[in-house]
Amino acid sequence: EIVLTQSPATLSLSPGERATLSCRASQSVGSFLAWYQQKPGQVPRLLIYDASNRATGIPARFSGSGSGTDFTLTISSLEPEDFAVYYCQQRGNSLTFGGGTKVEIK
Amino acid sequence: QVLLQQWGAGLLKPSETLSLTCAVSGESFSGYFWTWIRQSPGKGLEWIGEVNHNGATYYNPSLKSRVTMSVDTSNNHFSLKLTSMTAADTATYYCARGLISGTTWNYYYYLDVWGKGTTVTVSS
Repeated sequence: EIVLTQSPATLSLSPGERATLSCRASQSVGSFLAWYQQKPGQVPRLLIYDASNRATGIPARFSGSGSGTDFTLTISSLEPEDFAVYYCQQRGNSLTFGGGTKVEIK
Repeated sequence: QVLLQQWGAGLLKPSETLSLTCAVSGESFSGYFWTWIRQSPGKGLEWIGEVNHNGATYYNPSLKSRVTMSVDTSNNHFSLKLTSMTAADTATYYCARGLISGTTWNYYYYLDVWGKGTTVTVSS
């Protein structure tokens, strides 16, 4: 099973600041990685697929990068609605999620 | 627009079997993986397993002995059964569509459409 480790667990930032979230895989997944956003009480929403492609309707301030074992989700300038939990996901021989990064208001 | 509508019992007693169904509307059933994901209160996301339109399944090894998934292509439904429920299975259960990316021999899928979730509580 491929383990995804997300860091940091919590990121405390102010609106307008840049957020950089990390996801590290225990073995290479190529570019086969997705990112999701989940707000309290809501269903997870797909943000990024194939490591760097924005899903339909996702604002340009969200970007993904990386390949192999190291991936980054960047939010260029935090909007109030971006404070949420973010998960990465792969599906190698089985599907796994990272433990999540909570982006909270500082 | 693809919609996933899920339903099933929300309150179970220990040792009972969870049964959930997810109906797919607005899109063909074939060519995707149909998955179940759960989230325990305050915790992260856990993949339960997947089924494709042919009925081929693959389950999370940690749950494999208790899970059965199936498809009803005539009605565009897929279902989850999880036996021997305990308090540790208390969670919100989501159905989701897995959209495939890659080639025939090297691919993965990501979850682009989700159901609204069913809150399942196991309590005596």
